[in-house]
Amino acid sequence: QGQLQESGPGLVKPPETLSLTCTVSNGSISIYYWNWIRQPPGKGLEWIGYVDYSGSVIYAPSLQSRVTISVDTSKNQFSLKLRSVTAADTAMYFCARGKKGLTVTTGFYFMDVWGKGTTVTVSS
Amino acid sequence: SYELTQSPSVSVFPGQTASITCSGDNLMNRYVSWYQQRPGQSPVLVIYQDRKRPSGRPERFSGSNSGNTATLTISDTQPVDEADYYCQAWDSNTASVAFGGGTKLTVL
Repeated sequence: QGQLQESGPGLVKPPETLSLTCTVSNGSISIYYWNWIRQPPGKGLEWIGYVDYSGSVIYAPSLQSRVTISVDTSKNQFSLKLRSVTAADTAMYFCARGKKGLTVTTGFYFMDVWGKGTTVTVSS
Repeated sequence: SYELTQSPSVSVFPGQTASITCSGDNLMNRYVSWYQQRPGQSPVLVIYQDRKRPSGRPERFSGSNSGNTATLTISDTQPVDEADYYCQAWDSNTASVAFGGGTKLTVL
């Protein structure tokens, strides 16, 4: 069972760039899909996007103009950059491992391993 | 983008069955996953592909998906089950993940 650990600054000034890294241990990053999800204080989960081992990415439509997710297979890490942050980007940020597939009926996607999360506050 | 709707809260007494629903357009044509998030913790997968249970999850957790509604059922609900529960589906049209707004389960 893999383990994930988020790291990065806990405080970011607007309108700078939020940068986080997720380190994958006890497993290879060269399979599965690697996700970022966030949760504003007292609110629900918001999926940000994912990257696969080859660097192919999918972003949430609402954030795609400001987000970059990348992977470094040599370090077993993947990263999130969110540009032009505002107070609305204050949240707990989680990384998670995703599994995707197809059955005879339709496609599926779920996230089976999550990091503990890291709190990011956007404030001047 | 694809929208999933959950009731904000559900309350049950210990030992009762809790039903948490998730609604979406033609949801039966998509696979639904469910996550449990206890206060101060990260989410944990409890059901995937509508009704499959990950290794180590209690058999009390089960799932179904029919029509426009998916349901997470918790039998013999225990105080330790008190948490927020989120449904999630894959939107193949936009190739993106959709989460429901979450349901707070209170065990009275």
